[in-house]
Amino acid sequence: GEDVEQSLFLSVREGDSSVINCTYTDSSSTYLYWYKQEPGAGLQLLTYIFSNMDMKQDQRLTVLLNKKDKHLSLRIADTQTGDSAIYFCAENIGVDSSYKLIFGSGTRLLVRP
Amino acid sequence: NAGVTQTPKFRVLKTGQSMTLLCAQDMNHEYMYWYRQDPGMGLRLIHYSVGEGTTAKGEVPDGYNVSRLKKQNFLLGLESAAPSQTSVYFCASSENSGEPYSEQYFGPGTRLTVT
Repeated sequence: GEDVEQSLFLSVREGDSSVINCTYTDSSSTYLYWYKQEPGAGLQLLTYIFSNMDMKQDQRLTVLLNKKDKHLSLRIADTQTGDSAIYFCAENIGVDSSYKLIFGSGTRLLVRP
Repeated sequence: NAGVTQTPKFRVLKTGQSMTLLCAQDMNHEYMYWYRQDPGMGLRLIHYSVGEGTTAKGEVPDGYNVSRLKKQNFLLGLESAAPSQTSVYFCASSENSGEPYSEQYFGPGTRLTVT
């Protein structure tokens, strides 16, 4: 079946690195995503990785993909208070002739000053 | 360019009442989606549309209907609201979900409470 799992909560000190983990079940996913949701707002795409890559770096963000273990992680370097938000992992799976996103339950990141 | 907008932002309904949530996008996107977000759960797809005049069921369609009469608008209807439909509803749009990668753009959400 389709399932994406994340831990619910992470607390870090400002300036430290944050690592948010995710596991997924569908090995046919072609893209995996990280979305960010700030309080009272919709989701915004933060970054994504194609399934034939094992790492993607984008400024303070590093995405690691272990396709064998179906494990995805998001590392935020030098975490700031503005990074406090809920982070959703999502995989896309094929449905008929289109694709749909399956979301995890979200990890709430709290950055302490 | 407003992106994806949703109205209303908040609503309280009594059990059995009906209402329509409106989603509008100004990006000329073909695909539109309605999700619901419940505490401790990820977003779940209710219905989606691959173009004007077409709709399809998602994971949790029961109790909801949708219409896409104009390309820029996607309406979500609750004919007879139930407390189990208390949730935050998000609309999203994308250029083309027929491609493996197609970013979805989300609206700010509608918080609905059914008493």
